[in-house]
Amino acid sequence: DAGVTQSPTHLIKTRGQQVTLRCSPKSGHDTVSWYQQALGQGPQFIFQYYEEEERQRGNFPDRFSGHQFPNYSSELNVNALLLGDSALYLCASSYGSGNTIYFGEGSWLTVV
Amino acid sequence: AQSVTQPDIHITVSEGASLELRCNYSYGATPYLFWYVQSPGQGLQLLLKYFSGDTLVQGIKGFEAEFKRSQSSFNLRKPSVHWSDAAEYFCAVGGGYGGSQGNLIFGKGTKLSVKP
Repeated sequence: DAGVTQSPTHLIKTRGQQVTLRCSPKSGHDTVSWYQQALGQGPQFIFQYYEEEERQRGNFPDRFSGHQFPNYSSELNVNALLLGDSALYLCASSYGSGNTIYFGEGSWLTVV
Repeated sequence: AQSVTQPDIHITVSEGASLELRCNYSYGATPYLFWYVQSPGQGLQLLLKYFSGDTLVQGIKGFEAEFKRSQSSFNLRKPSVHWSDAAEYFCAVGGGYGGSQGNLIFGKGTKLSVKP
């Protein structure tokens, strides 16, 4: 049983570019959350998707957007990249409410 | 405001010694509390969680944590540390939409080093 899988694992982008990160949830999970973890910091909640809709959002600008597909997989898009967007982006999945969430290995984004 | 504080940035213990990592939280409602471990370059692995009931929670890898509402604390303990426990440990609190744990608030983490 595959866990939460994310792609790509590493990528380098230039300031001003756009990036798309992908996440496949653990089998049977229908809820996907995204977190940003800057170097030396704890993860920060970006947003959560359930039934293809954004259910909650953290304190991130509109440059950060997402999508959830009918198969529950999800994408995180970041536009107009800034140097400060360099971080590990973690995807987490769970089944419904009140259940444990599981994290993927993350996607390392470097903005130069 | 909701927050999690991990007062110790870096702790070094000898292999075989006991360990306690501190976590204090601020949360308006009844919290869901978690401890995660992260090895270098890796994602987060759940060690244990507290939702309700017995305030002493057992987790994986021999870890346990105790919820103390009066002190707003959820400290992580292990009686005997192994070299493989060297990693970064994160305390988190959540509740989120409808009680889901998708919206977790993390502390800044405590890095554990283990001396031989």
